[in-house]
Amino acid sequence: GENVEQHPSTLSVQEGDSAVIKCTYSDSASNYFPWYKQELGKRPQLIIDIRSNVGEKKDQRIAVTLNKTAKHFSLHITETQPEDSAVYFCAASRYNQGGKLIFGQGTELSVKP
Amino acid sequence: NAGVTQTPKFQVLKTGQSMTLQCAQDMNHNSMYWYRQDPGMGLRLIYYSASEGTTDKGEVPNGYNVSRLNKREFSLRLESAAPSQTSVYFCASSESSGGTTGELFFGEGSRLTVL
Repeated sequence: GENVEQHPSTLSVQEGDSAVIKCTYSDSASNYFPWYKQELGKRPQLIIDIRSNVGEKKDQRIAVTLNKTAKHFSLHITETQPEDSAVYFCAASRYNQGGKLIFGQGTELSVKP
Repeated sequence: NAGVTQTPKFQVLKTGQSMTLQCAQDMNHNSMYWYRQDPGMGLRLIYYSASEGTTDKGEVPNGYNVSRLNKREFSLRLESAAPSQTSVYFCASSESSGGTTGELFFGEGSRLTVL
């Protein structure tokens, strides 16, 4: 089955710097790659996703890139702000598995003012 | 519009006791999921249901059973709780069906402690 590895497990940046979180997946048939943000004590919420027919997607300060050949995808956050501090999870799923979504281990991002 | 509602929010059990976590969604979603969250291990899929009447094992199904009671409700049962099942449990639902995966909407979580 699918296995998703996420790095780093913790990341600390200064406010205004960029942050990059990387994930690799094992199932070459996976075609959907979302990123979720979980603030302390809250539920995870989708922040951005990408499907395998595109290589990059942006939404204001966040972007996701996908390299299908290498089976890895990354989350990029620019101009980080203290409210970006949270745990971020990547995930992957494949077509025709009823939405079965496998998550990475999570990255705790800390943005220092 | 409540979204995904799960109960109870907190529960303490003794080893060997049984309990059921309830989950209901009001978004008319086809797919529903149960995940557990443990420090450093992310969200691990226990069971999921792609549609009413179907359930499938996820990554860590041992020690759990599920029931998709109808399109709205998906319950998770621990028949004989063990300390290793101490965790935060999240129910989720999505519009995913058949071919494509959609956004997961999570409940608030249920914190379970097994002594």
